[in-house]
Amino acid sequence: EVQLVESGGGLVQPGGSLRLSCAASGFTFNVYNMNWVRQAPGKGLEWVSYIGTTSAIYYADSVKGRFTISRDNAKNSLYLQMNSLRVEDTAVYYCASATDPYKYDISGQWGRGTLVTVSS
Amino acid sequence: DIQMTQSPSSLSASVGDRVTITCRTSQAISNSLAWFQQKPGKAPKSLIYGASSLQRGVPSKFSGSGSGTEFTLSISSLQPEDFATYYCQQYYTYPYTFGQGTKLEIK
Repeated sequence: EVQLVESGGGLVQPGGSLRLSCAASGFTFNVYNMNWVRQAPGKGLEWVSYIGTTSAIYYADSVKGRFTISRDNAKNSLYLQMNSLRVEDTAVYYCASATDPYKYDISGQWGRGTLVTVSS
Repeated sequence: DIQMTQSPSSLSASVGDRVTITCRTSQAISNSLAWFQQKPGKAPKSLIYGASSLQRGVPSKFSGSGSGTEFTLSISSLQPEDFATYYCQQYYTYPYTFGQGTKLEIK
């Protein structure tokens, strides 16, 4: 079964750090481009970051310089290191894959999400 | 950044109806557009990619069309499980952007 499972969310104070993980199973992880997408409470979807099969990386302006995306193909895992967290980073964070190998959409598998709450 | 404008932002319809949601982009994106369905407390579910390709396992009552800057998602024969929020999303260029969502409610 194709599956993505996020973990690492929680409550953190403004200025703090958190590392999210996304464990992939049921497909050949290393040939899929991967993304993080977030959703603030009661709000719409916001794309956060992309990492490609060749490790090309892109970020939303709202997180550039504070978040770092990475992947470990040997562990079939995607990561998001979040530093200098702000109240406005509070959201459910989803990892999402493309539909097919080497494609650039995010219409493949999505995880259930992990909640990050930034509050004092 | 490419701006996405979805209309309407909310829509009231009855079981059995056919509805259409429109998504306009601020610049041409070829067919690099996807549609997602989201129910409360759940992750988004992919319906359409490539503007008109049905995602595996999605019923054919959902259909997408368009190219360039104007796209539509149509849902025929609405059933209770179809009432949800729908988002369009472009993947033509970074940053990827989403529409603001269309909430489909039961009349």
